[in-house]
Amino acid sequence: DTGVSQDPRHKITKRGQNVTFRCDPISEHNRLYWYRQTLGQGPEFLTYFQNEAQLEKSRLLSDRFSAERPKGSFSTLEIQRTEQGDSAMYLCASSLVTGWTEAFFGQGTRLTVV
Amino acid sequence: TQLLEQSPQFLSIQEGENLTVYCNSSSVFSSLQWYRQEPGEGPVLLVTVVTGGEVKKLKRLTFQFGDARKDSSLHITAAQPGDTGLYLCAGSFGNEKLTFGTGTRLTIIP
Repeated sequence: DTGVSQDPRHKITKRGQNVTFRCDPISEHNRLYWYRQTLGQGPEFLTYFQNEAQLEKSRLLSDRFSAERPKGSFSTLEIQRTEQGDSAMYLCASSLVTGWTEAFFGQGTRLTVV
Repeated sequence: TQLLEQSPQFLSIQEGENLTVYCNSSSVFSSLQWYRQEPGEGPVLLVTVVTGGEVKKLKRLTFQFGDARKDSSLHITAAQPGDTGLYLCAGSFGNEKLTFGTGTRLTIIP
């Protein structure tokens, strides 16, 4: 399988707990993006990396969110002290750096905070 | 702030009919992508358009990028139940991040 892989697919957690999601991009892609999507909405940008460098982080992202891509391959997204408002689908995508952005998405991680 | 507005937001039509979905912005984009998303899954890339006025066809789907690169349309001919899903347009400036539209939820009734 050469697509973008996300783990887990589903996560249910209690409010206040920490959660971590993993994304494995397409192997030759040097860009990796994280998005969040709530029901009925388009995906909302969170952050993105080029290789291991985090190039941009959304102003909407609170300090409870952190993302890493330590070796320029897989990435993790951690949410600390989860809140019910964090319940959403978290999507990862990857792309090559070319003249334009053409991103391929994983299947997402559905987070439910109870 | 949504830079890309899609219309209609919801569309329900009979199998065999034709339809057009629109994606509009006040900004000029370097490229624009269309995705289809099914419930519980990630968006699947359908097409990328990069040149103003460009038209691309994918079987029964026709995609057009506006001359000014501010808008795009997706036309489906003879819709089938398998076309049901959430259609998303997304634009980028250069090779920066994608900004998504509000989405069009399409239902094809058999």
